[in-house]
Amino acid sequence: DTAVSQTPKYLVTQMGNDKSIKCEQNLGHDTMYWYKQDSKKFLKIMFSYNNKELIINETVPNRFSPKSPDKAHLNLHINSLELGDSAVYFCASSPSYEQYFGPGTRLTVT
Amino acid sequence: EDQVTQSPEALRLQEGESSSLNCSYTVSGLRGLFWYRQDPGKGPEFLFTLYSAGEEKEKERLKATLTKKESFLHITAPKPEDSATYLCAVHPMDSSYKLIFGSGTRLLVRP
Repeated sequence: DTAVSQTPKYLVTQMGNDKSIKCEQNLGHDTMYWYKQDSKKFLKIMFSYNNKELIINETVPNRFSPKSPDKAHLNLHINSLELGDSAVYFCASSPSYEQYFGPGTRLTVT
Repeated sequence: EDQVTQSPEALRLQEGESSSLNCSYTVSGLRGLFWYRQDPGKGPEFLFTLYSAGEEKEKERLKATLTKKESFLHITAPKPEDSATYLCAVHPMDSSYKLIFGSGTRLLVRP
């Protein structure tokens, strides 16, 4: 299936831990994104990469670090997790303007 | 500041009862406006892109329209399977890649 995929789907961890979320797209798109969706369902952009180059870096704590090993993959590493990091994180990819989203990773920090 | 406001926050309809969802936006210039559908526990699913005032797009029971200040998503004779959260997003002219999302309208269609 052509799609945007994310792993894991659920992530439960304790404060202070470091965790990673992986994203892969096989749509052949050049641009990929990370979004955070909070409990009120607001989707807010965090990062964007175009052909492995970082092009959007919103006001996000530097505990969050994206990495794009190639244009089909965009991973998100989070250091020293805090309670406020609990949210659903979505990866997306885009051929031009419209964006196609992955299924999301629900992160719960206890 | 670029902003997107959706109303109502939640909408309950009887099956077959047509209605409209509103998306008001404030941007310095509009490159495009997007509608998405999001089911619980899933990622947003792309529905439509609108680029200029007066443009309309249709898909099954959904029709999206665009003016210079707002967009409407009209739902004609909805079915229970249309129940979802509908998200609106704008792509500002001064941003190559960034979408700004509204908080969505939660639609519940009762049989």
